[in-house]
Amino acid sequence: EIVLTQSPGTLSLSPGERATLSCRASQSVSSSYLAWYQQKPGQAPRLLIYGASSRATGIPDRFSGSGSGTDFTLTISRLEPEDFAVYYCQQYGSSRNTFGQGTKLEIK
Amino acid sequence: EVQLVESGGGLVQPGRSLRLSCAASGFTFDDYAMHWVRQAPGKGLEWVSGISWNSGSIGYADSVKGRFTISRDNAKNSLYLQMNSLRAEDTALYYCAKDMKGGYSNPRFDPWGQGTLVTVSS
Repeated sequence: EIVLTQSPGTLSLSPGERATLSCRASQSVSSSYLAWYQQKPGQAPRLLIYGASSRATGIPDRFSGSGSGTDFTLTISRLEPEDFAVYYCQQYGSSRNTFGQGTKLEIK
Repeated sequence: EVQLVESGGGLVQPGRSLRLSCAASGFTFDDYAMHWVRQAPGKGLEWVSGISWNSGSIGYADSVKGRFTISRDNAKNSLYLQMNSLRAEDTALYYCAKDMKGGYSNPRFDPWGQGTLVTVSS
């Protein structure tokens, strides 16, 4: 099973700042089958990025994904108040898809 | 608009059974694989089970294999999860999620329902 480790656990930033979230895999993720989800309190997760860098439908272009192999990054170019949430990465390239433990993005 | 509405959760004693349902609308249900993903209180996400568009391929997490059964009824646009021999560690919010394609392998979940809470306790 591929283990995903997200860092940092909590990121404290202010609106307008740039956020960089990391997801590291215990082994290479085939075909860059890596997705990112956003979850706000009391809500279901929402798909942001798939295929490591493709934005899902309706996702603003301030969200971008990059990386390959074992190291992946979600970048939010300029934080809006509604972006403060928990973010999960998911790999779906192996026979058993797995999620990271999440990064909480909080207002500083 | 795609809608997924889960139901069937509740409080159940260890060792008992529960059946979850997910009613889908707003898309051609039998074109897509469907999944159940759960989230224990205050914890992260765990994929539970997936089923292909025609029920031809099914998969389970090791933690539920042999106890849970996923199924779907394309005529009713509905997904189900039969949960037997429930344990305290199965306590979670169970989400129904649509895949972006018909096969259940290599799943990407979009969108998700709001979830139904299952609490296993005596």
